[in-house]
Amino acid sequence: DSGVTQTPKHLITATGQRVTLRCSPRSGDLSVYWYQQSLDQGLQFLIHYYNGEERAKGNILERFSAQQFPDLHSELNLSSLELGDSALYFCASSVEGLGGTDTQYFGPGTRLTVL
Amino acid sequence: AQTVTQSQPEMSVQEAETVTLSCTYDTSESDYYLFWYKQPPSRQMILVIRQEAYKQQNATENRFSVNFQKAAKSFSLKISDSQLGDAAMYFCAYRSGGATNKLIFGTGTLLAVQP
Repeated sequence: DSGVTQTPKHLITATGQRVTLRCSPRSGDLSVYWYQQSLDQGLQFLIHYYNGEERAKGNILERFSAQQFPDLHSELNLSSLELGDSALYFCASSVEGLGGTDTQYFGPGTRLTVL
Repeated sequence: AQTVTQSQPEMSVQEAETVTLSCTYDTSESDYYLFWYKQPPSRQMILVIRQEAYKQQNATENRFSVNFQKAAKSFSLKISDSQLGDAAMYFCAYRSGGATNKLIFGTGTLLAVQP
């Protein structure tokens, strides 16, 4: 158990819908990262938040957005869902996220299925 | 841009034997970190080992060790005394030493352990 929690574990929804994925980082970690794992794209970085502020963006679609709240939990919002958004979404956290020896620890993931 | 390549989609090893998984990367940076993550059938991403590029000594964690060849940009993972629980997908990952903390992953190597 990494200490990172993600809810829900599984999500099944229809095209055009909107969903919210939630992540709670390890105690003491200030950074939260979101990654998407799909069969065709592999593991891709989406976005990084540090202490409530966006630090870096990766290949995140405009239909997707995220935020990190004052209690440091994070939410990833996916809207206007398409079949291709079906994937495993991971949240990871790290102590700082400012470079150096910082290591990311992953949550169990949320499996999103868009029908 | 940095890239990570895992040229072995699948590998197989007998229980108690040793296996080496290959990883090469491309970067123009001098400060970076390399990681191996394990993803068992549960889909959880588990950190196996980390290597700092500025360290000449190869990292070791129990039965897991790396062969880090900086000039050749090679970062292989050796698993000794393989156990059935080592069966998983293994991902090699790169992270810049700067403020961009995103992990760049290879495509993974699926390791089977034969009893």
